[in-house]
Amino acid sequence: DTGVSQDPRHKITKRGQNVTFRCDPISEHNRLYWYRQTLGQGPEFLTYFQNEAQLEKSRLLSDRFSAERPKGSFSTLEIQRTEQGDSAMYLCASSLGQGSLPGTQYFGPGTRLTVL
Amino acid sequence: AQSVSQHNHHVILSEAASLELGCNYSYGGTVNLFWYVQYPGQHLQLLLKYFSGDPLVKGIKGFEAEFIKSKFSFNLRKPSVQWSDTAEYFCAVKGFQGGKLIFGQGTELSVKP
Repeated sequence: DTGVSQDPRHKITKRGQNVTFRCDPISEHNRLYWYRQTLGQGPEFLTYFQNEAQLEKSRLLSDRFSAERPKGSFSTLEIQRTEQGDSAMYLCASSLGQGSLPGTQYFGPGTRLTVL
Repeated sequence: AQSVSQHNHHVILSEAASLELGCNYSYGGTVNLFWYVQYPGQHLQLLLKYFSGDPLVKGIKGFEAEFIKSKFSFNLRKPSVQWSDTAEYFCAVKGFQGGKLIFGQGTELSVKP
């Protein structure tokens, strides 16, 4: 399968713990995006990278959230001191951006986080 | 602020009925528009997209959408739905040079056999 992959698919944690999610984009894609989706809502943008550079962060991304894409390939999203309100599906997407055209985003299966 | 509004939260149709799902957006500039679909237990998949040119775009599985710039709308249509079209449908907008997608809240479509 050459699509976007995410790991883990499910994560249950206790409030106050740290969690880290991983996303592997489609191999030739230079742009990588993180979104969060809660029940009954559409995905909400969190942040995106072009290669290893983080180009935009949403105001939804509090100081407890950090994302990296160290070598311009896979990315990690870490949530520190998790809160119950962090419970959601975390989606990763990637695209092939060319010049000023960001390309079509292809989504992974998501990581479902449950904070107890 | 940029936003996308989908008019219907849940639509129930019988097989062979025609479908139209409404989508309106608020964005002051050139946009790219998308419809994504999420089948039960599966991840988001691209159904169709509009970047430029002909405002009537055709996607997979017989879906089409029409971009009406004056109405800030991008409605999704299908002349005859099938049971397998049961899914959640999301409209999304992206600024021409931006990266992020702004999604609507989604429309759940249930097709009765």
